[in-house]
Amino acid sequence: DIQMTQSPSSLSASVGDRVTITCRASQTISNFLNWYQQRPGRAPKLLIYVSSNLQSGVPSRFSGSRSGTDFTLTISSLEPEDFATYYCQQSYSAPITFGQGTRLEIK
Amino acid sequence: QVQLVQSGAEVKRPGASVKISCQASGYTFTSYTMHWVRQAPGQRPEWMGWINPGNGNTKYSQKFQGRLTINRDTSASTAYMELSSLRSEDTAVYYCARDPAYDLWSGFFDYWGQGTLVTVSS
Repeated sequence: DIQMTQSPSSLSASVGDRVTITCRASQTISNFLNWYQQRPGRAPKLLIYVSSNLQSGVPSRFSGSRSGTDFTLTISSLEPEDFATYYCQQSYSAPITFGQGTRLEIK
Repeated sequence: QVQLVQSGAEVKRPGASVKISCQASGYTFTSYTMHWVRQAPGQRPEWMGWINPGNGNTKYSQKFQGRLTINRDTSASTAYMELSSLRSEDTAVYYCARDPAYDLWSGFFDYWGQGTLVTVSS
């Protein structure tokens, strides 16, 4: 199975900050990396698919990029509603696997 | 608009089975693969398997082979997930989630059900 590792596991930031979350795959996954946001008690919400494609309806402050087997989710300027947990997920091969999550908290 | 509505919470004894439904609306049910994903408390989501509602083909994670059955009723636009031989570690929120690829498989999820909490306890 492909292991997905996110860093950091938690992050404190303020409204207006720029934040980046990194996800690394244990083997090559080409561009098949997706990002989700999850608020407490809610289902995950798709933000970015196939590395850098913004899902319809998602604000443009969210962006995704790739460098080799490292993938980055960037939020350019945090809004209050962005404080949540973020997961990466590979769709390169089954079994589909997720990262352990990054909890983004208000400083 | 696309909606996935799941059945309600369940409490089961160890060794029992649970069957959860996921009724789809707002799109052509048979044209999009449906996945099942679960999430134990405080843990990352875990993919379980998928079904192609058009032809009934399924693929399961090896972890659940022999315990998991996913099927569908096209007349009701509903997918089902049944997990047997339940143990305490199966306590989780179970989600159905649509694959956005039309007649294909992309392996990510654009619409999710609201989740169904399954509690396994003696």
